[in-house]
Amino acid sequence: DAGVTQSPTHLIKTRGQQVTLRCSPKSGHDTVSWYQQALGQGPQFIFQYYEEEERQRGNFPDRFSGHQFPNYSSELNVNALLLGDSALYLCASSLGIPGTGGYTFGSGTRLTVV
Amino acid sequence: GEDVEQSLFLSVREGDSSVINCTYTDSSSTYLYWYKQEPGAGLQLLTYIFSNMDMKQDQRLTVLLNKKDKHLSLRIADTQTGDSAIYFCAERAGGYQKVTFGTGTKLQVIP
Repeated sequence: DAGVTQSPTHLIKTRGQQVTLRCSPKSGHDTVSWYQQALGQGPQFIFQYYEEEERQRGNFPDRFSGHQFPNYSSELNVNALLLGDSALYLCASSLGIPGTGGYTFGSGTRLTVV
Repeated sequence: GEDVEQSLFLSVREGDSSVINCTYTDSSSTYLYWYKQEPGAGLQLLTYIFSNMDMKQDQRLTVLLNKKDKHLSLRIADTQTGDSAIYFCAERAGGYQKVTFGTGTKLQVIP
């Protein structure tokens, strides 16, 4: 049973560029949440997608946008990259709102902005 | 809003018990979680406790919840070198879909 799959694993981009990160949720899960984890920090909630709609959003600017597809996979897009966007981006899936099962996390995409 | 705080670092000797502490602010928290993160990896769910419980035991792990003080702890019995990792406390507040994470506690196990 495949867990959460994220691609790519590593990425280097230049300031001002745009990036798209991809996530396939665990089989049977229908909800995808994205988190940003800066070095030495805890994960910060970006947004959550359910039924192809953004259900809740954290305190991130509009440069961060997302999408969920009918097969429940999801993309995170970041426009006009800043140096401060360098972080590990984690995708987490769940069946509905996280309950006893919590989230299942992918291994993340390490984004470096230079 | 929600806020979750943890001490940054804990060092224990192999075979001893480890206790990692966490405080949270949202009194409407429904689920509280402990996650483990090893270097270069995502987060792995260790255990959870529902807000109407005081204690939960799962093999070497014991979770204690003090709702009055909004304090959560994770005790790891017979700590092994393989337990060395960063441990995150997290909460899901009632009425919210998201889970809020703490800053993480780095556990170092000395052989």
